[in-house]
Amino acid sequence: DTGVSQDPRHKITKRGQNVTFRCDPISEHNRLYWYRQTLGQGPEFLTYFQNEAQLEKSRLLSDRFSAERPKGSFSTLEIQRTEQGDSAMYLCASTEGQRGLHFGNGTRLTVT
Amino acid sequence: QKEVEQNSGPLSVPEGAIASLNCTYSDRGSQSFFWYRQYSGKSPELIMSIYSNGDKEDGRFTAQLNKASQYVSLLIRDSQPSDSATYLCAVKGSRGGSQGNLIFGKGTKLSVKP
Repeated sequence: DTGVSQDPRHKITKRGQNVTFRCDPISEHNRLYWYRQTLGQGPEFLTYFQNEAQLEKSRLLSDRFSAERPKGSFSTLEIQRTEQGDSAMYLCASTEGQRGLHFGNGTRLTVT
Repeated sequence: QKEVEQNSGPLSVPEGAIASLNCTYSDRGSQSFFWYRQYSGKSPELIMSIYSNGDKEDGRFTAQLNKASQYVSLLIRDSQPSDSATYLCAVKGSRGGSQGNLIFGKGTKLSVKP
């Protein structure tokens, strides 16, 4: 068990640019989640996959955000036309069944 | 009403004391409840899960669940300075579009003083 891996750890981008993050879940976990966390807040749900199917997407997620999980393994989260309000820690987590989530180290995004 | 509510703290306890962290939730149909610990600058770490009313103990940690009161708590016995962190309560949604995801509170910041 190598844990959930996220890449990159940090990303600084200029407003209006597109960014893509990658998450590799724990290998036997069929569910993969993306959350966003800002300072002083709890993680905020964005979307989740069961295998390759995207089952839920937060109503708060604008159409600038898109996530994929081809072949039910790794996942990518893309943010198009980034805005300063997108600056946050983006957390990926995985689980199997009804167990708790195991989080990766996160990708910290700073939009300047 | 917020879906998962926690006192943001900070909660300060002396070393060796019992720290009591509380959480209330609004989704009466929720069946799965979790506590996470998050050190500053790090990602959340799962420390306890509880699914049935009553107490569940794991080492120095005890989770308590009362579904009728929609209340979850975490007790930390013999608190250590290394327990100083933010503790997040998370509840698995049961209705509509939130059936699969964990809903987190804002967290309670705990400080254990030597």
